[in-house]
Amino acid sequence: DGGITQSPKYLFRKEGQNVTLSCEQNLNHDAMYWYRQDPGQGLRLIYYSQIVNDFQKGDIAEGYSVSREKKESFPLTVTSAQKNPTAFYLCASSGGVGTEAFFGQGTRLTVV
Amino acid sequence: ILNVEQSPQSLHVQEGDSTNFTCSFPSSNFYALHWYRWETAKSPEALFVMTLNGDEKKKGRISATLNTKEGYSYLYIKGSQPEDSATYLCARTGRRSQGNLIFGKGTKLSVKP
Repeated sequence: DGGITQSPKYLFRKEGQNVTLSCEQNLNHDAMYWYRQDPGQGLRLIYYSQIVNDFQKGDIAEGYSVSREKKESFPLTVTSAQKNPTAFYLCASSGGVGTEAFFGQGTRLTVV
Repeated sequence: ILNVEQSPQSLHVQEGDSTNFTCSFPSSNFYALHWYRWETAKSPEALFVMTLNGDEKKKGRISATLNTKEGYSYLYIKGSQPEDSATYLCARTGRRSQGNLIFGKGTKLSVKP
């Protein structure tokens, strides 16, 4: 089954700790994206990558980091510099600009 | 318009009603406009991707139009059903920053039986 997988579904971390969210796809898509959703807000773009070993900041990249060493994988690290990390995080992939995006199930991160 | 804006924020209709939503977006450096449906406890799913001014797309009872010159798109649902209840998202890709898919906040539709 082709698809995009995020893990874990729920994640709890202590304040001040870095945490990495996993996103894997087997759709052979070049483009991958990370979004954050807060209550009452839409999906806000954190980072995106159009190709392996290249990525661009989105609107709210501060306090986050990513890597794109493999086509299939686009992990997101929420660093201790992110002031309000508790949120719902969605990963997506697409075949390229102008093609539909496919989304993972999301990871709900709670920092206590 | 600097951001992708959607209206209304929420909508409550009766089964059988037809309804429509609006997505407004920056018209400069436009490349593509996407519509997604996001049901509770599921992942967003694509409805349409449109690129050309005047594009009209249809999938069953749902259709969409695109005006790239004035920067808006309409999504229409004919004869709403309870299973249409979801949040409908639109997103834009700009030519200069190709690849950054920017979403609006969505329109939450509730259809009462």
